[in-house]
Amino acid sequence: AQSVAQPEDQVNVAEGNPLTVKCTYSVSGNPYLFWYVQYPNRGLQFLLKYITGDNLVKGSYGFEAEFNKSQTSFHLKKPSALVSDSALYFCAVRVNSNSGYALNFGKGTSLLVTP
Amino acid sequence: GAVVSQHPSRVICKSGTSVKIECRSLDFQATTMFWYRQFPKKSLMLMATSNEGSKATYEQGVEKDKFLINHASLTLSTLTVTSAHPEDSSFYICSARAGSSYEQYFGPGTRLTVT
Repeated sequence: AQSVAQPEDQVNVAEGNPLTVKCTYSVSGNPYLFWYVQYPNRGLQFLLKYITGDNLVKGSYGFEAEFNKSQTSFHLKKPSALVSDSALYFCAVRVNSNSGYALNFGKGTSLLVTP
Repeated sequence: GAVVSQHPSRVICKSGTSVKIECRSLDFQATTMFWYRQFPKKSLMLMATSNEGSKATYEQGVEKDKFLINHASLTLSTLTVTSAHPEDSSFYICSARAGSSYEQYFGPGTRLTVT
């Protein structure tokens, strides 16, 4: 089955420091990978995706992610964290659902950026 | 662009009643819409996929007679929770995809509380 795993429930980082939110995938074939962010009581906002091409993908709000095939990882990164980055982050992979392509989400990682 | 709205954002209903949640794509035509359910501090669970003009396809374990989905137009899908019970209380999120696009655009979610 196509799936992603987020090994950390929570990541804490001080404002201004670099942040990494981890994601590993288990996929047969070429993975289509996504990162989304969710603020409290809100829907998900798209950050970035990897389909093909450059392994380093740049997305919204200064986030980027590196696709690493040998480590089957797609970690989300940002060079300098902001307090406003505090939110719930989901990694996702495109899968075949009963009706076509859908997304399988990781369990989510809560990011807390402290001033 | 790519804005998806949901209405209502929050609803409280009594056990045994039915509740309808609307999902609209405001600035694009959504050939496919997805309905997810999210429990507190948990990931999103795909409930069903609806394609405009056809019946929804439900994921395993989701009762189609309880969660009625209608995708009557390219900009509107509705989820009706019939004969609601307290265990149906959850955060329901819809997403929409245009054509063969890889990206899904998420609505802000609907908080359903059944008393």
